[in-house]
Amino acid sequence: QVQLVESGGGLVKPGGSLRLSCAASGFTFSDYYMSWIRQAPGKGLEWVSYISSSSSYTNYADSVKGRFTISRDNAKNSLYLQMNSLRAEDTAVYYCASGAGSGYWIWGQGTLVTVSS
Amino acid sequence: QSALTQPASVSGSPGQSITISCTGTSSDVGSYNLVSWYQQHPGKAPKLMIYEGSKRPSGVSNRFSGSKSGNTASLTISGLQAEDEADYYCCSYAGSVVFGGGTKLTVL
Repeated sequence: QVQLVESGGGLVKPGGSLRLSCAASGFTFSDYYMSWIRQAPGKGLEWVSYISSSSSYTNYADSVKGRFTISRDNAKNSLYLQMNSLRAEDTAVYYCASGAGSGYWIWGQGTLVTVSS
Repeated sequence: QSALTQPASVSGSPGQSITISCTGTSSDVGSYNLVSWYQQHPGKAPKLMIYEGSKRPSGVSNRFSGSKSGNTASLTISGLQAEDEADYYCCSYAGSVVFGGGTKLTVL
């Protein structure tokens, strides 16, 4: 069935790095823009980044620009988020989702990233 | 970009209708018909309920409808049911993406 499965979350110290992955199945991954969206504990949704279907275009929220890098491997049906220089305020559940803002049709279950010393 | 403005909470009784507003600016909500709405139950991933302002994905009840006037988009839920109790988020796309702060719907 159609699904997205995130992995790679965990506990990391401030200033550290983490790489999130998102495995897609059940749909033609290479046809879709893909995005990362996060939700801090008890807070609302915050868009992080999106990438075009061919990786030719990326966009980032100001809060992560210069620290996070989105990428994808269409041969592996996978989406990635490289997170560097992590801060306490990056603590959140990170969701991958299909689309780029006009409508996020498919969501993963999320992976928790905790930035703490 | 600043977050879109939603009421923190709304409530209604079973069978009633409620409307959740989502106010942006002429640079996002007002410029494009690219507002989407999401339902999120506790501990679950969000679910797309409305896209492109007023379109419903297959499988979403026709009790959910979306509209827009100027810089404000709205989600209306008619015939409220207990399972509609959830958090609702609006989202606007205008090159970058911005979400509303979320609205907690309580079914009394």
